[in-house]
Amino acid sequence: GQQVMQIPQYQHVQEGEDFTTYCNSSTTLSNIQWYKQRPGGHPVFLIQLVKSGEVKKQKRLTFQFGEAKKNSSLHITATQTTDVGTYFCAGRGSGGYNKLIFGAGTRLAVHP
Amino acid sequence: DAGVIQSPRHEVTEMGQEVTLRCKPISGHNSLFWYRQTMMRGLELLIYFNNNVPIDDSGMPEDRFSAKMPNASFSTLKIQPSEPRDSAVYFCASSLGGATNQPQHFGDGTRLSIL
Repeated sequence: GQQVMQIPQYQHVQEGEDFTTYCNSSTTLSNIQWYKQRPGGHPVFLIQLVKSGEVKKQKRLTFQFGEAKKNSSLHITATQTTDVGTYFCAGRGSGGYNKLIFGAGTRLAVHP
Repeated sequence: DAGVIQSPRHEVTEMGQEVTLRCKPISGHNSLFWYRQTMMRGLELLIYFNNNVPIDDSGMPEDRFSAKMPNASFSTLKIQPSEPRDSAVYFCASSLGGATNQPQHFGDGTRLSIL
């Protein structure tokens, strides 16, 4: 079945450093969504990518969808302590109904 | 605007007891999802309803788990009998339209501990 792998599992950075998490699917995706979960909180939708090669930006966050629609990345420039949390990618397969499959998440710690 | 509302926020009970988790989706959303989150298994989809009808229950672990959606504004997830391995955070989420290209809005979750 469809699998979504996400790396790294954990990332510790100094405030001001950049951060990137990567997401890979075993199958072609129709779209990919990114969520952020603060410690003790619930996942909150950040963005959705649909088109091959798509790049979207939200302030310091840059999201990319691979040309083959099988991988994606989230890059944070100059991390801040408010970026702390777990970032999940969630991919949906193509063709008919396909449920959203969440990656295991990347937990980001930012040291001031 | 009210988001997805779940109750209770925390539940501690002894194994063998029946547990009922409740969810009120965002008004106007016609898709509802129940997820379970653990350190070991991450975020797992248990069941998905569209227009109050269960569409995909392939993630429901076993017969001890059941979910209902009697109307558009209410859903329950029941575990009977509960076991320690059911301890997890259970999230309910809702979205507009079908399970296609819509973002999912999560509730605050129910933290369940089975002793």
